[in-house]
Amino acid sequence: DAGVIQSPRHEVTEMGQEVTLRCKPISGHDYLFWYRQTMMRGLELLIYFNNNVPIDDSGMPEDRFSAKMPNASFSTLKIQPSEPRDSAVYFCASSLRGDTEAFFGQGTRLTVV
Amino acid sequence: GQQLNQSPQSMFIQEGEDVSMNCTSSSIFNTWLWYKQDPGEGPVLLIALYKAGELTSNGRLTAQFGITRKDSFLNISASIPSDVGIYFCAGQPTAGGTSYGKLTFGQGTILTVHP
Repeated sequence: DAGVIQSPRHEVTEMGQEVTLRCKPISGHDYLFWYRQTMMRGLELLIYFNNNVPIDDSGMPEDRFSAKMPNASFSTLKIQPSEPRDSAVYFCASSLRGDTEAFFGQGTRLTVV
Repeated sequence: GQQLNQSPQSMFIQEGEDVSMNCTSSSIFNTWLWYKQDPGEGPVLLIALYKAGELTSNGRLTAQFGITRKDSFLNISASIPSDVGIYFCAGQPTAGGTSYGKLTFGQGTILTVHP
């Protein structure tokens, strides 16, 4: 398996634009996680899914953020409208079950100017 | 909610020295994981712990799952320059609760190794 695949690796956008980040988890993994990493706040869990169903979205900063998992092999994290304070590295991770190790993608570095 | 406190925040050591870092939790965890992150990359799993009291080694790395299930430590022996990076602990709560599967991370320990 190629591991968790995220795209794009880098995204630069203007404030107010819509941004969509994409993730393909490892095949067969039931859990998918979205994290945001900044110097100030470290690795924050935004939302996680089990079998394509969102389980806990309490980490999503505000209504401008939304995440979907239409099928077992694809998830998106959307920010609309984007703001400069959304600039961060966004990671997707997946795990086989809820009590097994999670594997991370290489992240998307988002810069909102 | 769950709180993971990781210490120290940063360490500056000489090559060849041993390193120790730890994490404590406000709640019981079913799984403890230790990751390392290199610049520009995602965290990579180093060691996974699944049982209270478990002591596991991976080369020069040793980690333990605390008896109380609320803490874990990671030791690195005879450090080398390529050990430089950010080390994270992470935990998952026990099955049956509303937070099952929720993987929470500590704040990270930045390790610098001087040759």
